[in-house]
Amino acid sequence: DIQMTQSPSTLSASVGDRVTITCRASQSISSWLAWYQQKPGKAPKLLIYKASSLESGVPSRFSGSGSGTEFTLTISSLQPDDFATYYCQQYNSYSLTFGGGTKVEIK
Amino acid sequence: EVQLVESGGGVVRPGGSLRLSCAASGFTFDDYGMSWVRQAPGKGLEWVSGINWNGGSTGYADSVKGRFTISRDNAKNSLYLQMNSLRAEDTALYHCGLGSYYVRHWGQGTLVTVSS
Repeated sequence: DIQMTQSPSTLSASVGDRVTITCRASQSISSWLAWYQQKPGKAPKLLIYKASSLESGVPSRFSGSGSGTEFTLTISSLQPDDFATYYCQQYNSYSLTFGGGTKVEIK
Repeated sequence: EVQLVESGGGVVRPGGSLRLSCAASGFTFDDYGMSWVRQAPGKGLEWVSGINWNGGSTGYADSVKGRFTISRDNAKNSLYLQMNSLRAEDTALYHCGLGSYYVRHWGQGTLVTVSS
C-alpha cells in the first residue's frame, strides 16, 4: 500500500498567517491527491482534488500544488474558520490511503 | 442538495456482525462510485471500502479484507457494508461517501462499538 506522511502533525498559527502543510507519498501518485478539512464533531469536507483543483464553494485562499511524491496545501491568509485538522488522501491505487492529519491551532 | 444518511451502527461483541446502510438522495445515485471511510475515536481517517457505479468493481482495505463486504442497490439509492468477524479495532464512526476515489460529500456517520 502507498503510505502518506503529513507534516507537521500540529501547527500553531495566527489569523492572517500564510500556512503550508506538506504531504509525501511513499511512491509516485502522479496528481491523484485530495485534501480535506475536518472540524471537531463534523464530517470531513473536500477542499482540493487532483492535487490542485479547488472544489466548488471552497474559498480561493486554499490552494494545492505538487505531483509525484511531494504535495502542499497552502492557506494564503488564515481565517478564524480555518482552525481545523487537514488530511491528504491518495487515489492513485484502489487501496486509498490518508495521511495522519495536521491540526492547525490558534497561536 | 446531496444527503447521505448512515444507519445500522451499534454495540456488538467481538466476533459479531453488523450491516450498515447509507440512504442517498439529491443526486443520481447510479452515476457515482461510493465509499465507506471510518474514524476511530480521537484518530485519523481510514478508507474501508469502495464500489463503482454498478457494483462490478469493489476494493477493500487490508484491515477488513475477507471480513467486510460492500454492496449497493441502485433501485433503492442505497449503499451497504456487511461487517463480519468484528474486532475491537473496528470500533469507529463509519462514514458513507460520494465518490470511490476521493469523497466529494460525506454523511455524518454511524458509530460502531465492538466490545465485550
